[in-house]
Amino acid sequence: NAGVTQTPKFQVLKTGQSMTLQCAQDMNHNSMYWYRQDPGMGLRLIYYSASEGTTDKGEVPNGYNVSRLNKREFSLRLESAAPSQTSVYFCASSEEGARGNTIYFGEGSWLTVV
Amino acid sequence: AQTVTQSQPEMSVQEAETVTLSCTYDTSESDYYLFWYKQPPSRQMILVIRQEAYKQQNATENRFSVNFQKAAKSFSLKISDSQLGDAAMYFCAYNVYQLIWGAGTKLIIKP
Repeated sequence: NAGVTQTPKFQVLKTGQSMTLQCAQDMNHNSMYWYRQDPGMGLRLIYYSASEGTTDKGEVPNGYNVSRLNKREFSLRLESAAPSQTSVYFCASSEEGARGNTIYFGEGSWLTVV
Repeated sequence: AQTVTQSQPEMSVQEAETVTLSCTYDTSESDYYLFWYKQPPSRQMILVIRQEAYKQQNATENRFSVNFQKAAKSFSLKISDSQLGDAAMYFCAYNVYQLIWGAGTKLIIKP
């Protein structure tokens, strides 16, 4: 029972490099999310996708792009990485919108930008 | 602005005892949801308990229960019979249209 799977788990980037974080869920959920978690803070929403074919900005979208490739997959791209983007990134999904529904999380991706 | 405040950065409790983690939130909404999530050292977020604001009865899940005070905008988590496996970061979250998270409380269990 995989749930939400995200790759890679660890990545070190140089400033200015680009990369894509991949996420897939096998629970047939409509909604998917990307969060970042910085030390001493709760999660902050970067982007979300309420359903296949739609994406919307969250609290901290600058410097990121997303693609909802199909119902299962939701990727997060850093076009030109900056040290401020050093963080732990979580992909998540829920059956419908987050309201009232349990959100299931992946195990996180540790990204360091040097 | 909607905010969630966890005033205890760290709490410790003796194994088998009871501990209460605090959470307050600020909102003008009347219908919303509140959650407690646990983040163990593995970092994966796990739902502990959920409360619907229009339900007056406090939610309970085995050893975990909440004290929901809607007028005071307070949503504390009580863990009874604490176990070593309860050691983790605990996050309170509030939801109307998207989740707003507190900064977390680190719970230490003393054997």
